Amino acid sequence: AQSVSQHNHHVILSEAASLELGCNYSYGGTVNLFWYVQYPGQHLQLLLKYFSGDPLVKGIKGFEAEFIKSKFSFNLRKPSVQWSDTAEYFCAVGDYKLSFGAGTTVTVRA
Amino acid sequence: DGGITQSPKYLFRKEGQNVTLSCEQNLNHDAMYWYRQDPGQGLRLIYYSQIVNDFQKGDIAEGYSVSREKKESFPLTVTSAQKNPTAFYLCASSIAVGEDTEAFFGQGTRLTVV
Repeated sequence: AQSVSQHNHHVILSEAASLELGCNYSYGGTVNLFWYVQYPGQHLQLLLKYFSGDPLVKGIKGFEAEFIKSKFSFNLRKPSVQWSDTAEYFCAVGDYKLSFGAGTTVTVRA
Repeated sequence: DGGITQSPKYLFRKEGQNVTLSCEQNLNHDAMYWYRQDPGQGLRLIYYSQIVNDFQKGDIAEGYSVSREKKESFPLTVTSAQKNPTAFYLCASSIAVGEDTEAFFGQGTRLTVV
């Protein structure tokens, strides 16, 4: 069975700081990997996705993620966060179904 | 506008009553999903459907039921057998299950059982 583990439950940082959120998955087949974001009061939306090809994928709002197959990881990064990045972030892995991690709440202080 | 509509946004029910949550999509997607979101547990899959008149149990299907009579609709019934029904419920759709595609989510329904 596939599973997704997110390393941090809550991250607090200041504006302009760098952000990295860890995600590890367990799945034996070809993986499709996603990061979703849920801003306060808004619906879940896709940040970025990896299906194949270049393991470094770029998404919206300056986010990127790197797929490291040997480590079963798909960590999310942003070099310089803004107050508007305050949200909950979910890593997900999908094949015949889409499985999510527990989520990481990111609070950016102005 | 294309998208997924969940209704109602907030729902209150008495313990022991069944309640049905609505999910409609106009994206012409084949696959639809229901998730339950609880603090600290992320999203857990309740049911999913790949095509009309077919659906599969997810990880936490006990106490829930679904139907898929139309492509655009995938209602979820929370039955009295669900021991802890108070939660935030999210519906999603994608072009198909098992392919390299993303899921699109509705705004969610917050169910409170008193």
